[in-house]
Amino acid sequence: AAGVIQSPRHLIKEKRETATLKCYPIPRHDTVYWYQQGPGQDPQFLISFYEKMQSDKGSIPDRFSAQQFSDYHSELNMSSLELGDSALYFCASSLTFNYGYTFGSGTRLTVV
Amino acid sequence: SQQGEEDPQALSIQEGENATMNCSYKTSINNLQWYRQNSGRGLVHLILIRSNEREKHSGRLRVTLDTSKKSSSLLITASRAADTASYFCATDPSGSARQLTFGSGTQLTVLP
Repeated sequence: AAGVIQSPRHLIKEKRETATLKCYPIPRHDTVYWYQQGPGQDPQFLISFYEKMQSDKGSIPDRFSAQQFSDYHSELNMSSLELGDSALYFCASSLTFNYGYTFGSGTRLTVV
Repeated sequence: SQQGEEDPQALSIQEGENATMNCSYKTSINNLQWYRQNSGRGLVHLILIRSNEREKHSGRLRVTLDTSKKSSSLLITASRAADTASYFCATDPSGSARQLTFGSGTQLTVLP
């Protein structure tokens, strides 16, 4: 069965650079979520989209933005990268309420 | 502070033993979910229990939910070395918010 696809798997950027992460949710799932997980930390909610409209925002820095496109894929854009942005970034999708989320394998971002 | 707090933070048991992990949360929920994460990998959905359910089983997993105490437990029976991973509870809040809030996780080590 198709899963949530994230790209790239690994990304190395320098401070102050920009990074773009992509997510392809499971077909027919109506909600996409982005999470950030620092080393040894629990996943932190960043932002979600329901039917291509921004739904909720969590602890997402102003330097980050995200959108969901007409084909339902989503992109997380991170500008002016800082060393503290180094983390695993997960995308997940779900089908409305009371269904489990399916997470992608994540993108490991390293800022040097 | 986190919506879900997990207890214990780390648990080490022998193969064949049962493992119990607890989770407490603070706000009203639609459902509570348990996820597993192998080191540096994606989160895998294990089981979802709705707010009107008290107990749920899936294979060797048993989840309980006590909404009056805002707590849940995950029991893994007859543990195996392959169960070694971090286990997170996550709450799907009541209302229109579409996000999961994760607890701090329990690191389970099953010794062969």
